[in-house]
Amino acid sequence: QVQLVESGGGVVQPGRSLRLSCAASGFTFSPYAMHWVRQAPGKGLEWVAVISYDGSNKFYADSVKGRFTISRDNSKNTLYLQVISLRVEDTAVYYCARGPTDIPYYYMDVWGKGTTVTVSS
Amino acid sequence: QSALTQPPSVSAAPGQKVTISCSGSSSNVGINYVSWYQQVPGAVPKLLIYDNNERPSGIPDRFSASKSATSAALGITGLQTGDEADYYCGTWDTSLSAWVFGGGTKLTVL
Repeated sequence: QVQLVESGGGVVQPGRSLRLSCAASGFTFSPYAMHWVRQAPGKGLEWVAVISYDGSNKFYADSVKGRFTISRDNSKNTLYLQVISLRVEDTAVYYCARGPTDIPYYYMDVWGKGTTVTVSS
Repeated sequence: QSALTQPPSVSAAPGQKVTISCSGSSSNVGINYVSWYQQVPGAVPKLLIYDNNERPSGIPDRFSASKSATSAALGITGLQTGDEADYYCGTWDTSLSAWVFGGGTKLTVL
């Protein structure tokens, strides 16, 4: 079945870095745009970034621009989110989600279960 | 604050109907498709509506949505206790070159 599995979360100190991964299975990964969405404890959904099917186009939320980098390896069916200079306010569950087509500005039709990032000293 | 405005909460009795609004602007709702997501407590968000008013397979027709100018709305009829969840609208913002979500609406079925 179509599945997205995130990993790489954990407890990190402010200012440190982390790389999140999202492994896709059950579908052909390469034709689809992919998103990262996060949710702070007790808060709503916050979109983080999207990457086009071939990695040529990337868009970011202003709150993470310059600190987060989205990338993908279609040969490994994997999406990544490199995060640097982590802040306490980056604490959240990070979901990867599939766009339904190659277009990066479309909705999300499949969601992973999320990986938790806690930034704390 | 969110680029899309939703009421923080709505409530209604089982069997009744509820409408959740989503107000945006000419750079997002006004020119792009709106989608809606349901997040039951402790669960992953789920796509409920896409392209303003289309339901994915498996979503019952109790759920419907519409869009007019810079506002959208989600309607749920025949409310069930299982519909208690947070509901989010979302769309692309062309001016921001970013996806935006509403702040979410908590539905309580009394």
